[in-house]
Amino acid sequence: AQSVTQLGSHVSVSEGALVLLRCNYSSSVPPYLFWYVQYPNQGLQLLLKYTSAATLVKGINGFEAEFKKSETSFHLTKPSAHMSDAAEYFCAVNRNQAGTALIFGKGTTLSVSS
Amino acid sequence: KAGVTQTPRYLIKTRGQQVTLSCSPISGHRSVSWYQQTPGQGLQFLFEYFSETQRNKGNFPGRFSGRQFSNSRSEMNVSTLELGDSALYLCASSSEGQGRKEQYFGPGTRLTVT
Repeated sequence: AQSVTQLGSHVSVSEGALVLLRCNYSSSVPPYLFWYVQYPNQGLQLLLKYTSAATLVKGINGFEAEFKKSETSFHLTKPSAHMSDAAEYFCAVNRNQAGTALIFGKGTTLSVSS
Repeated sequence: KAGVTQTPRYLIKTRGQQVTLSCSPISGHRSVSWYQQTPGQGLQFLFEYFSETQRNKGNFPGRFSGRQFSNSRSEMNVSTLELGDSALYLCASSSEGQGRKEQYFGPGTRLTVT
């Protein structure tokens, strides 16, 4: 069965500091992995995806993630945090082969201080 | 291209009533999935429709049902509402073209059951 674990429900960083949000997955089918961001009172916006091509994936807003099969991880990073990055971030893995049904982690709230 | 739209955005219902939520996918997308988001349970997959057929179903009681029309628009119905059904209901659509596995989310319908 598929599952996603996000380590740390809340991460706080200073503006300009490195952002690292952790995600580990378990999947019985070839995994497709996604990071989504959610701003207050809004839906989910796709940041980036891994679908078995390059293991280092670049997304929007300067975010990137590296798929590590040996560690079953897909951590999200950004070299320099910006105030506008404050939001809730969700890691997800496909529930089915087509990737049209997702299992989400519990989410990590990112706070950015000046 | 217009994004995923959901109506209504906010809804207040009384326990025991039923409710219908609507979702219009991105033009050309034939897959529509529904998710429930609550503070306690996080994001949970409800069901997915593709070409008017339910293709995947999550672990929700039969009070939760859906359908998809020939134009790919989808509706979700919840009968005999319970207080615990208060949540943000998110709809997502996806294209099944080669390499495309991501889902695009709407802004959600916030349902409050009193």
